[in-house]
Amino acid sequence: KQEVTQIPAALSVPEGENLVLNCSFTDSAIYNLQWFRQDPGKGLTSLLLIQSSQREQTSGRLNASLDKSSGRSTLYIAASQPGDSATYLCAVKADKLIFGTGTRLQVFP
Amino acid sequence: EAGVVQSPRYKIIEKKQPVAFWCNPISGHNTLYWYRQNLGQGPELLIRYENEEAVDDSQLPKDRFSAERLKGVDSTLKIQPAELGDSAVYLCASSPQGKLGQQYFGPGTRLTVT
Repeated sequence: KQEVTQIPAALSVPEGENLVLNCSFTDSAIYNLQWFRQDPGKGLTSLLLIQSSQREQTSGRLNASLDKSSGRSTLYIAASQPGDSATYLCAVKADKLIFGTGTRLQVFP
Repeated sequence: EAGVVQSPRYKIIEKKQPVAFWCNPISGHNTLYWYRQNLGQGPELLIRYENEEAVDDSQLPKDRFSAERLKGVDSTLKIQPAELGDSAVYLCASSPQGKLGQQYFGPGTRLTVT
């Protein structure tokens, strides 16, 4: 059974810091991995999707990597801003999307 | 382009009462999903539709939960009777390309059962 773990569960950093969120999964037989952002009381917004054949994807200040063989992905956020404060979820896609429990990020001015 | 629409956004009911949630997917998306997200957890799939057919409902508690997607567009998820443990956010998502396509999520319905 696929299990997805995210570390840390919560993170609080000052504005401007570069930070890394980690995601690990137990079964490497996946089609893709996706990083989502969830604001309080809101739905999920897709940030980056990495196909199983890819190693990384970039969008603006975000960069996500995928190492399928080791069952790991990282989301790198450069020059963090208060507006980045949210919960970040990773999800792997096999027969269905399996989500981690998320990392709650707070960026303070 | 309009996103996934869900209503109501919030619902508070007493236990043993029925409740229903409605979802309108993005136009042209054939695949529709219902997820449940408990507090502090990631969403978990309840049911997936391909057009009007439920193709994966293995995680749907069928004793009290039911869902339908008449005409392959809008969908309704129902709970009858609700229990305290059903308090959660119910998310709807849609995808244009079957189960491998990127999913687009609605804002969710936050259910509180008292």
